[in-house]
Amino acid sequence: AQRVTQPEKLLSVFKGAPVELKCNYSYSGSPELFWYVQYSRQRLQLLLRHISRESIKGFTADLNKGETSFHLKKPFAQEEDSAMYYCALEVTGGGNKLTFGTGTQLKVEL
Amino acid sequence: DGGITQSPKYLFRKEGQNVTLSCEQNLNHDAMYWYRQDPGQGLRLIYYSQIVNDFQKGDIAEGYSVSREKKESFPLTVTSAQKNPTAFYLCASSKNLLDIQYFGAGTRLSVL
Repeated sequence: AQRVTQPEKLLSVFKGAPVELKCNYSYSGSPELFWYVQYSRQRLQLLLRHISRESIKGFTADLNKGETSFHLKKPFAQEEDSAMYYCALEVTGGGNKLTFGTGTQLKVEL
Repeated sequence: DGGITQSPKYLFRKEGQNVTLSCEQNLNHDAMYWYRQDPGQGLRLIYYSQIVNDFQKGDIAEGYSVSREKKESFPLTVTSAQKNPTAFYLCASSKNLLDIQYFGAGTRLSVL
């Protein structure tokens, strides 16, 4: 069965510092990977997906099949980036069923 | 704001009681989903529905039931068979099974 691991429960960085939220997955097939974000008092929403190869709010994520990772990165953290971040995996032909990691709380301090 | 509406925001259940959580969407989406969120465990899929009058079990369907009689509605019933119902429940919808999912604000269920 597929699995998503986010090893850090909490990540605290200073404003302007680089950010890397780790995500590793286990799945034998070709996965689709997503990052979802939940800001305080807001709904869970999609941040980015690997097939789009976009940079959203300065965040990027590269799928590394060799290391089975999909780490989320931003070169300079902003205070408004403070939120809960979830990595999710959709298996090929899985009917859009997502498997979520346990989430990482990012706290950006001044 | 429109989109996906979950009600109530907070719900309390007595022992042995069935309760129903509402999820309505006005996005004209075909697919709908129910997730359960527990502290430190992320989201887990309970049930999902591709189209009206069809639904499939997710990873943790035991103790839950759903119906999909209308495209815009996907209510979740937490039955008395669910021994640990205290959790945060999230509903989501997507245009189809290939599109991204949009989430509701959630319902927090507690047992009295």
